[in-house]
Amino acid sequence: SQQGEEDPQALSIQEGENATMNCSYKTSINNLQWYRQNSGRGLVHLILIRSNEREKHSGRLRVTLDTSKKSSSLLITASRAADTASYFCATGFTGGGNKLTFGTGTQLKVEL
Amino acid sequence: DTEVTQTPKHLVMGMTNKKSLKCEQHMGHRAMYWYKQKAKKPPELMFVYSYEKLSINESVPSRFSPECPNSSLLNLHLHALQPEDSALYLCASSQVPAGAGLQFFGPGTRLTVL
Repeated sequence: SQQGEEDPQALSIQEGENATMNCSYKTSINNLQWYRQNSGRGLVHLILIRSNEREKHSGRLRVTLDTSKKSSSLLITASRAADTASYFCATGFTGGGNKLTFGTGTQLKVEL
Repeated sequence: DTEVTQTPKHLVMGMTNKKSLKCEQHMGHRAMYWYKQKAKKPPELMFVYSYEKLSINESVPSRFSPECPNSSLLNLHLHALQPEDSALYLCASSQVPAGAGLQFFGPGTRLTVL
């Protein structure tokens, strides 16, 4: 299976704290993307980082990519209760056409 | 319009029924996707259409039949499903760059097979 793995599987933090999620993958990639999914809903794309980039920011989100270790991390700073969701990394790999392979996901719970 | 719409939101069907799921986008995207998602699991790719032609079929059973009538519409025809096919079915669309770009997802159809 090409599926990536994320850790932790579940994360519970207090509002205002930072949340870090990690993603590992197996193949060479063109890009790595992060998505958020609120319970039972569709996925929303958060950020895309290309294989030649090492770090990218978007608002309270910071994504890093280490292609030598085949890993990525998503940092959410100053978390809010509204950030409670499942977060998935997804990789677009060389020769894969338009196919994305999703990681196993991290369930984040931000408590007031 | 940056939205992918899916109908119906919920569907309950028996194992002998025939039903269809519909997906629509007006972003000019030429790649469209069907995913199946079980609870607490990541989405699993089923089909990819690129320029209205089926480009990827992830060995999906023939009781699932996709159709792309035009560049804005994607259907998934269902027939003789099994209870284990109960899941959230997600449609997505994207532009067609090499190596996969960002995908826009619909809210999904929650399917229950009795």
